[in-house]
Amino acid sequence: GQQLNQSPQSMFIQEGEDVSMNCTSSSIFNTWLWYKQDPGEGPVLLIALYKAGELTSNGRLTAQFGITRKDSFLNISASIPSDVGIYFCAGLSGSQGNLIFGKGTKLSVKP
Amino acid sequence: DARVTQTPRHKVTEMGQEVTMRCQPILGHNTVFWYRQTMMQGLELLAYFRNRAPLDDSGMPKDRFSAEMPDATLATLKIQPSEPRDSAVYFCASGLVKKSGGAVEEDEQFFGPGTRLTVL
Repeated sequence: GQQLNQSPQSMFIQEGEDVSMNCTSSSIFNTWLWYKQDPGEGPVLLIALYKAGELTSNGRLTAQFGITRKDSFLNISASIPSDVGIYFCAGLSGSQGNLIFGKGTKLSVKP
Repeated sequence: DARVTQTPRHKVTEMGQEVTMRCQPILGHNTVFWYRQTMMQGLELLAYFRNRAPLDDSGMPKDRFSAEMPDATLATLKIQPSEPRDSAVYFCASGLVKKSGGAVEEDEQFFGPGTRLTVL
């Protein structure tokens, strides 16, 4: 079945640093989504990407839908302590109609 | 403030007992998803409904799990009998399917807060 490879698995950074994480797949997706999950909560949608090459920002977050439609990245600029959490990428292909999730990137920010 | 709600938030039960988890999707959404999250497996899709009809439940152990949508405002996930390996956080998510020029397009999924299940 379809799989997403998300990296890195975890990151430990200093407050103020920029963060970059990405997802790759051998399959093509029509939509890429990035979610953040806080402890004890469900994933919350951060950014949705619908077109190959699309670059979208949401505050300090920027995500891109790869040209090949097989990858996406998420950047967080000037990280702050509340950025701590697990970030998930998810891909949606028209053939399946359901999301495939990456394993997540656990972000820790040191004040 | 439209949100997906799930009950209960926490459930501790003994092996062999029946467990029912409930989800109220966002009003107007026509897709509902059930996921299970564990440290080892991450987020796994269990079942997927569109317009209350089950489209995909291939991720769900059929012998003990069942998912239903009695009406558009309620989705249930039942485990009978429960086993310790079922301990996990179960998330419900809802979304909206759009039709554009004859093509069906899935929209983003919005997650509920989850039900943390512990089977002793």
